[in-house]
Amino acid sequence: GAGVSQTPSNKVTEKGKYVELRCDPISGHTALYWYRQSLGQGPEFLIYFQGTGAADDSGLPNDRFFAVRPEGSVSTLKIQRTERGDSAVYLCASSLLPSGATLESEQFFGPGTRLTVL
Amino acid sequence: KNEVEQSPQNLTAQEGEFITINCSYSVGISALHWLQQHPGGGIVSLFMLSSGKKKHGRLIATINIQEKHSSLHITASHPRDSAVYICAVSPTDKLIFGTGTRLQVFP
Repeated sequence: GAGVSQTPSNKVTEKGKYVELRCDPISGHTALYWYRQSLGQGPEFLIYFQGTGAADDSGLPNDRFFAVRPEGSVSTLKIQRTERGDSAVYLCASSLLPSGATLESEQFFGPGTRLTVL
Repeated sequence: KNEVEQSPQNLTAQEGEFITINCSYSVGISALHWLQQHPGGGIVSLFMLSSGKKKHGRLIATINIQEKHSSLHITASHPRDSAVYICAVSPTDKLIFGTGTRLQVFP
């Protein structure tokens, strides 16, 4: 079956612009996660959705970052007034259930969106 | 101090060698994950474990909950194993990642 997909694969924008990054999770997965990975680093947690609601948004760096998942499937990460420091690979992952010790909570990752802010 | 520490950061090996990557963590967890990331590629989950040992092909993952330590072993390494291997833990609903171990296996 189809895995997690993310669009666009690459996005180049200018400082100060607004961008939207899209994630299509695996069908039926209730949990959806956004992570950010800077060059040479491990991914960092941004936000987690359980269904339509943001269950944990403690990783969002500031109020320029916002994410939605209005129908409990596709999610959009929105970044306002982009800064050069926002340049990174933005990863999305989904799981059947929230993270835990069961097979159903294994996270499946998308290919990522590489964001470059000039 | 990071909550998840991996060692070594970089590792080179000759084809056929036995490889060990270590992960230590400082938080209580429900599960530990080993992930593989190829250059320019996405992340693939290799193992998710909460106790004991798991084996898949040439890969073996072990965890010691009391010592808060896990190891990933690769037997009979091959150049196609070259990738970044990332340890991540899930104390609650999100993953906390280590910085990864970059493995290069030469023929």
